[in-house]
Amino acid sequence: DTAVSQTPKYLVTQMGNDKSIKCEQNLGHDTMYWYKQDSKKFLKIMFSYNNKELIINETVPNRFSPKSPDKAHLNLHINSLELGDSAVYFCASSQDKNQPQHFGDGTRLSIL
Amino acid sequence: QQQVKQSPQSLIVQKGGISIINCAYENTAFDYFPWYQQFPGKGPALLIAIRPDVSEKKEGRFTISFNKSAKQFSLHIMDSQPGDSATYFCAASSSGATNKLIFGTGTLLAVQP
Repeated sequence: DTAVSQTPKYLVTQMGNDKSIKCEQNLGHDTMYWYKQDSKKFLKIMFSYNNKELIINETVPNRFSPKSPDKAHLNLHINSLELGDSAVYFCASSQDKNQPQHFGDGTRLSIL
Repeated sequence: QQQVKQSPQSLIVQKGGISIINCAYENTAFDYFPWYQQFPGKGPALLIAIRPDVSEKKEGRFTISFNKSAKQFSLHIMDSQPGDSATYFCAASSSGATNKLIFGTGTLLAVQP
C-alpha cells in the first residue's frame, strides 16, 4: 500500500487555468507538507499543516491555497496558472512536526 | 542563514568505491540532519539522519559524519553499487513550532559498473 499518494501524477494544462492536486496519507500522521521541486531539482517547502492547522506558509503567491479537510488529506489548489508554476510538487507527511518526513512520488505540473 | 550548501553537484564513482557528499550550514539552531535519496520519477526517500549529539551514525553501507564546530556533515557510501545511482539531498531543520526542512541543492551520483 502506498503510504503517501498524490493524484494526478501528471498534469498538463494551459496558462490561466485553475487546477488542484490531491494528497492522501495512510500512515496515521498528524503533519503534512507541500514542497515544490524546480527544474534544477531544488526542493523548497511551501506549506505545512499539523492536525489540520496551517503551521508553515512560506513566501508563496496567494494563487496557491492548501486545504486540509482532515488529518489524512492535504490538497493544493492553484489559481490562474503561470508558466513559472511548472515544476514537480511533492506531498509529504510526518508523525508529528519533529519526526522524519515521508514523501509521495510527486505531481509533474506542466504549463503550456 | 537558512541555507544548506551541498557539494559536489555531481559525482562519478566506480563500483566498489566510496562516494562522499558534503554539506555545510550556518544556522546553529539546526538540530536534525537527514539525507534523502531520490530516484528519477520518485519522491525523496529518507536514507539516514543524525542529531548533533553524536559525531557519526552508520546504517549498513551508509555513514553520516557530523562536525558541529565546523557546521558540516557528510554522507559516505561504502562499496558503492550501480543501484546507488540517484540524486542525494542533505537537509536540516530545527525542533520547535515547525519542522521546516531546508534542503541542499542535491548531488547526482553515478556509480559505474
